[in-house]
Amino acid sequence: QSALTQPASVSGSPGQSITISCTGTSSDVGGYNYVSWYQRHPGKAPKLMIFDVINRPSGVSNRFSGSKSGNTASLTISGLQAEDEADYYCSSYTGSSTLDVVFGGGTKLTVL
Amino acid sequence: QVTLKESGPALVKPTQTLTLTCTFSGFSLSTSGMRVSWIRQPPGKALEWLARIDWDDDKFYSTSLKTRLTISKDTSKNQVVLTMTNMDPVDTATYYCARTRYDILTGYSVFYFDYWGQGTLVTVSS
Repeated sequence: QSALTQPASVSGSPGQSITISCTGTSSDVGGYNYVSWYQRHPGKAPKLMIFDVINRPSGVSNRFSGSKSGNTASLTISGLQAEDEADYYCSSYTGSSTLDVVFGGGTKLTVL
Repeated sequence: QVTLKESGPALVKPTQTLTLTCTFSGFSLSTSGMRVSWIRQPPGKALEWLARIDWDDDKFYSTSLKTRLTISKDTSKNQVVLTMTNMDPVDTATYYCARTRYDILTGYSVFYFDYWGQGTLVTVSS
């Protein structure tokens, strides 16, 4: 199972909006509504930001939103804040018998 | 409050067996629906799911690594242990444990990890 494709880096200024894409195939992203997004600050545990394409866990800011079109999922962060600077990873169910998932390579978000 | 923490050797030699322990709190693996997975990330590469153990002791492994992996749990200690045999420099990575669930109410698995540990870096080198 190949990794999902994410841009290596994105950047934006405070207050702006950015979108991170996550491209897979019809066997993963395109085939199921089971895309999740994680935020990881250096040295910290990854944090679940979006699950099942569009859902936010309790406590996650509504500045974070998810969507999907075809084989590409997206994470949009609006009203960028300095604390949003982190690495972001997408993940998708693969439909395998082991119920496992495949991840993206990660995107480094820089808040200018 | 749910927390997970990975522990194990920072350095192992090629051909050795790696043993990692995930110690968690805030939930029990004897509770129906609870699952713990191991995930790793080699430097500069994508995260990779390795293995999962469920509350009922069902175990699942990455197809590509299943011959080298063993996952087990000690419910009384709130620990999950992963062993990986025949370590190679390409296994150098940060290893994470993370919680996922089977939704008992709906009867469906969830395909996301709601809590993660901070990870532990394992370097394979002679």
